[in-house]
Amino acid sequence: DVKVTQSSRYLVKRTGEKVFLECVQDMDHENMFWYRQDPGLGLRLIYFSYDVKMKEKGDIPEGYSVSREKKERFSLILESASTNQTSMYLCASRTTAQETQYFGPGTRLLVL
Amino acid sequence: QKEVEQNSGPLSVPEGAIASLNCTYSDRGSQSFFWYRQYSGKSPELIMSIYSNGDKEDGRFTAQLNKASQYVSLLIRDSQPSDSATYLCAVFYNQGGKLIFGQGTELSVKP
Repeated sequence: DVKVTQSSRYLVKRTGEKVFLECVQDMDHENMFWYRQDPGLGLRLIYFSYDVKMKEKGDIPEGYSVSREKKERFSLILESASTNQTSMYLCASRTTAQETQYFGPGTRLLVL
Repeated sequence: QKEVEQNSGPLSVPEGAIASLNCTYSDRGSQSFFWYRQYSGKSPELIMSIYSNGDKEDGRFTAQLNKASQYVSLLIRDSQPSDSATYLCAVFYNQGGKLIFGQGTELSVKP
């Protein structure tokens, strides 16, 4: 079974803090994705990566950065957290050979 | 802007009935289509994929695809209260190699 894990299920941070969200997959998938999900707005793609050290902006990259130093790990960084970044953050991965995408359990982030 | 559209619902059906969830998409070149189920507070879980026109059945679930009409649907037979969730339609766009998700349809199955 594909397993995608995220470092935290719940996180509370203060405005201005630097926040790291980590995602790890154990299936040697080339592609990894970060989304945020908000009521009424659906899933929105923040960043994705096709390979180690590669990254591409998604639909809403502003205020975020990413890091992919190892194939299995994809980190999302909030450089200076703001209250409008309070959301559910979902990591996903897939292999290039298939379009099927698998999600991690999600991190619910609250920025105060 | 490529789009995937779903009725947001909520769709309410009685237990034992057939629930019908619909999705339209804008890119005629799309070849791969997926249905995810998302329980409240949880992450999306893949339940069906379909690639060819017609029907694909898996247990109580049937996915239907009509590429000419750019339409994909999910039927849930003998609906159970445990089927109550939000169902996300996703379409794979070859350009960019990304899944595009609809907003999701909330399904409520009443005992």
